[in-house]
Amino acid sequence: DIQMTQSPSSLSASVGDRVTITCRASQGIRSDLGWYQQKPGKAPKRLIYGASSLESGAPLRFSGSGSGTEFTLTISSLQPEDFATYYCLQHNSYPYTFGQGTKLEIK
Amino acid sequence: QVQLVESGGGVVQPGRSLRLSCVASGFTFSDFAFHWVRQAPGKGLEWVAVLSHDGKNHYYIDSVKGRFAISRDNSKNTLFLQINSLRPEDTAVYYCARAENPFVVIPAGARIDYWGQGTLVAVSS
Repeated sequence: DIQMTQSPSSLSASVGDRVTITCRASQGIRSDLGWYQQKPGKAPKRLIYGASSLESGAPLRFSGSGSGTEFTLTISSLQPEDFATYYCLQHNSYPYTFGQGTKLEIK
Repeated sequence: QVQLVESGGGVVQPGRSLRLSCVASGFTFSDFAFHWVRQAPGKGLEWVAVLSHDGKNHYYIDSVKGRFAISRDNSKNTLFLQINSLRPEDTAVYYCARAENPFVVIPAGARIDYWGQGTLVAVSS
């Protein structure tokens, strides 16, 4: 199985900050990675697909990069509605595997 | 618009069975593969299973093989997850999720786009 190591597990930041979350795959997964945002009590919502493509309707402040084994999600200028938990998901092979999640909190 | 609505969760005793359902609307259900993903209380997301658009191909995580069965009824736009021999560690919100690309047969093509709102399964005596 492919292991996804996501860091940090939690992050405290302020509105307007730039933040970066990283996922590392235990083996190469090309660009078969998505990023999802989850708010408490809600289903996850996709932000990024194909490692770097922005989901339709997602704010432009979100961006993704990477391929192979190293991936990043960047939020260029945090907004109040961005405080949530973020997960990466590899879909290169079964079983699909998620990163452990990054809880983004208000400083 | 795409809508996925799960049901069938509840409080059940260890060793019992449960069948979850997910009714889809807003697109041609029979064209798409579907996944089940679960989330234990306060924990992260765990992918559980996938079923192809025609119901012929499936894959499960090791921890549920032999106890969970994913199936579908394309005439009723419904996905199912039969859960047998329930264990306390199966306690979770179970989400159904759609694979983005129609008629996909390879893992890389079955990436998840839409999710349902989830149904809670609580296993307790």
